[in-house]
Amino acid sequence: ETGVTQTPRHLVMGMTNKKSLKCEQHLGHNAMYWYKQSAKKPLELMFVYNFKEQTENNSVPSRFSPECPNSSHLFLHLHTLQPEDSALYLCASSRRGFYTDTQYFGPGTRLTVL
Amino acid sequence: AQKVTQAQTEISVVEKEDVTLDCVYETRDTTYYLFWYKQPPSGELVFLIRRNSFDEQNEISGRYSWNFQKSTSSFNFTITASQVVDSAVYFCAFSTGNQFYFGTGTSLTVIP
Repeated sequence: ETGVTQTPRHLVMGMTNKKSLKCEQHLGHNAMYWYKQSAKKPLELMFVYNFKEQTENNSVPSRFSPECPNSSHLFLHLHTLQPEDSALYLCASSRRGFYTDTQYFGPGTRLTVL
Repeated sequence: AQKVTQAQTEISVVEKEDVTLDCVYETRDTTYYLFWYKQPPSGELVFLIRRNSFDEQNEISGRYSWNFQKSTSSFNFTITASQVVDSAVYFCAFSTGNQFYFGTGTSLTVIP
């Protein structure tokens, strides 16, 4: 596979469930990002990892827990979510963790919280 | 404050018409980068172009062209002879070394 892949593509979960989103990049990049895209709202940067180290956490609630075991994989662990967390979650990667680098995005996971 | 504005929320054009999507940015920095991304209904953000603040040359790629004007702080995107496959949400983005901002997007519908 090439580029940035995300699984699952669609996820429906209850508020008491625990689930994880997975992102994998095949571009040899060193930085990875999680974004949230809600209807009618701008993209929100959630987390940034650079060389596996978290360099940005934009005041994201603790019910979202990221994990970056290596530069190619990024996870977003979800627990006790709220209906307002329903959104498209996009993963991206870039060569370095500088915002001036081009970010390449995956297809997203569309999350519905019931 | 630094930010990027896409004033056009939704645009509809008939196939084969030309269409320009506006992007205006605001910054005091002299070094910055501008981007355009396309988001088709499938959801994936597709990278289109990246320009730095020192390169004001306009760029053309097939039916796509970009007009960067520092005098008006704009980085507009024109699609020539639009096609139905161009229907998508287009995002302009702006970055400095430590900040990255997406615009709110312009939804383009090309009517056959």
